[in-house]
Amino acid sequence: AQKVTQTQTSISVMEKTTVTMDCVYETQDSSYFLFWYKQTASGEIVFLIRQDSYKKENATVGHYSLNFQKPKSSIGLIITATQIEDSAVYFCAMREGSSNTNKVVFGTGTRLQVLP
Amino acid sequence: GPKVLQIPSHQIIDMGQMVTLNCDPVSNHLYFYWYKQILGQQMEFLVNFYNGKVMEKSKLFKDQFSVERPDGSYFTLKIQPTALEDSAVYFCASSLRGSSAETLYFGSGTRLTVL
Repeated sequence: AQKVTQTQTSISVMEKTTVTMDCVYETQDSSYFLFWYKQTASGEIVFLIRQDSYKKENATVGHYSLNFQKPKSSIGLIITATQIEDSAVYFCAMREGSSNTNKVVFGTGTRLQVLP
Repeated sequence: GPKVLQIPSHQIIDMGQMVTLNCDPVSNHLYFYWYKQILGQQMEFLVNFYNGKVMEKSKLFKDQFSVERPDGSYFTLKIQPTALEDSAVYFCASSLRGSSAETLYFGSGTRLTVL
């Protein structure tokens, strides 16, 4: 069965620094997709970035990048040059590629606070 | 970007009553989902829906729950009767093709309070 684990409940960083949020996953599937979403204070959920399991290169979008360590089943989110507006809850998620399931499974989230 | 609209944003009802949560998905999307989030915790999958049918549901999708999208209008989640443990924020999501690589587009959620 799919499982996504985020052990960091909350992180505080100073503005303009780099932060890494951890995520480990479990799956029996050889093909899968990993996602990071952001939930703002208003409750809005926004897709940030995706990593395909068959790609060796770490995905990068703007000031978001991923640290994909497949042997460790780990997909960390790195935010560089953090801004106040990056303060939110970040969810790691996974979807299996070749099984019969279509659902996306989420982790418990990491609350990021960016301080001025 | 594409928007999923959820109406209403907050609903308060008495235990045992029926409630219908409405979702207006992205216009050309074909796959629809409901997720449940309790007290800012993780979002838990309830159900996905395609071509007028439930494709997959979780253990959280109790017998009292049902979904439909009559005539391509709102995608709805109905709970009848409601229970106290149904209090949560319910998020609707949609995707175009339902492929594994696709991202989901989420609405802003409906906060359901069962008294």
